[in-house]
Amino acid sequence: VLTQSPGTLSLSPGEGATLSCRASQSVSANYLAWYQQQPGQAPRLLIYAASRRATGIPDRFSGSGSGTDFTLTISRLEPEDFAVYFCHQYVSSPLTFGGGTKVEIK
Amino acid sequence: EVRLVQSGAEVKKPGESLKISCKGSGYSFTDYWIGWVRQMPGKGLEWMGSIYPGDFDTRYSPSFQGQVTISADKSINTAYLQWTSLRTSDTALFFCVARQTTADPFDSWGQGTLVTVSS
Repeated sequence: VLTQSPGTLSLSPGEGATLSCRASQSVSANYLAWYQQQPGQAPRLLIYAASRRATGIPDRFSGSGSGTDFTLTISRLEPEDFAVYFCHQYVSSPLTFGGGTKVEIK
Repeated sequence: EVRLVQSGAEVKKPGESLKISCKGSGYSFTDYWIGWVRQMPGKGLEWMGSIYPGDFDTRYSPSFQGQVTISADKSINTAYLQWTSLRTSDTALFFCVARQTTADPFDSWGQGTLVTVSS
């Protein structure tokens, strides 16, 4: 089970955001990804292997962590960053997603 | 570039059957896993299962085993998600997803197929 916190983060553009994802068991080889989902759209891969940015993802997004505790950091929120973020472990079956963190405009 | 195009929205009644599709292009269809992810209204993401069209190896989440069938037709580069008897609780948005190996994240997503089951 992946537990994300907080459920909602209310921030202003330009501020930094820290999103947490905690696993009930150690994530194998840190196969942990982060996705961003805008309303009405499919999720977009941001981070994989806990800390590697996917192709085309701005460097204001960074991932860290290992074992059971992982973090997605957005250094300075741009207007397009207000969305829902999901963590996902993609090696141990069944594959699982966290419940999501909504980053909303304050 | 991997591209996944899903079939259109469906409105069905409880007890009816349904098969939705996901057509892959821009890559070798038999060399990638295709999975299905459910998103119920206003909720999070749930992995349902995946298929490897190269050898039809199919894996299901225990939550969906026996509830749906995942299949593929590699002659037309298309994967399917099928129900034999829909329930109102099957109402959701379904995404097909692709990854090259089981050590890769899902880096390609279809646009989603909305399935509405209502009497």
